[in-house]
Amino acid sequence: NAGVMQNPRHLVRRRGQEARLRCSPVKGHSHVYWYRQLPEEGLKFMVYLQKENIIDESGMPKERFSAEFPKEGPSILRIQQVVRGDSAAYFCACSGVSYNEQFFGPGTRLTVL
Amino acid sequence: GENVEQHPSTLSVQEGDSAVIKCTYSDSASNYFPWYKQELGKRPQLIIDIRSNVGEKKDQRIAVTLNKTAKHFSLHITETQPEDSAVYFCAAMLTGGGNKLTFGTGTQLKVEL
Repeated sequence: NAGVMQNPRHLVRRRGQEARLRCSPVKGHSHVYWYRQLPEEGLKFMVYLQKENIIDESGMPKERFSAEFPKEGPSILRIQQVVRGDSAAYFCACSGVSYNEQFFGPGTRLTVL
Repeated sequence: GENVEQHPSTLSVQEGDSAVIKCTYSDSASNYFPWYKQELGKRPQLIIDIRSNVGEKKDQRIAVTLNKTAKHFSLHITETQPEDSAVYFCAAMLTGGGNKLTFGTGTQLKVEL
């Protein structure tokens, strides 16, 4: 689990700007999940991706949010035209062949001014 | 969809005492139940999990029990230590059905000296 990388760890954006959050899963883990944690709350599922495919995006807001996991490179969660309500910790998790155990990255803490 | 309730929201125990955190889930098809520990500002860390074909699992001072009929599962920590102080989250998942974790709202455990 220490191998799940996220960057940046902290991101400050002004309202209306774009935020790009990156997640590099453990080598060999091809299942990536994004979760959002609002202050003082639990984690909420956003999207589940495998290489080049979105498997489940039922937790993604309908507008401004998108995610991808290209064949090469990290998974990216993109938030366009950020608003103050987007301020949260965004965690990615990955799983391998077993697809049960999900190991979390250190998170990106997004602050929207 | 799945809904997970967790109680209590805060729990304070004396060092050496036991702590019990309880969760209920709504979807009887869920078959995987992990527990995560999250220290302030850190990533959620998987501490123990249980699958629906098992009623109890133990790992040193930590144990989890599952009652499928009642749809509830519990985390038991014995001989608590100050380093056990953290927020604990339960979660439920249907493996093969999207693999997304539905989290409880968390329990803030404080172990007092």
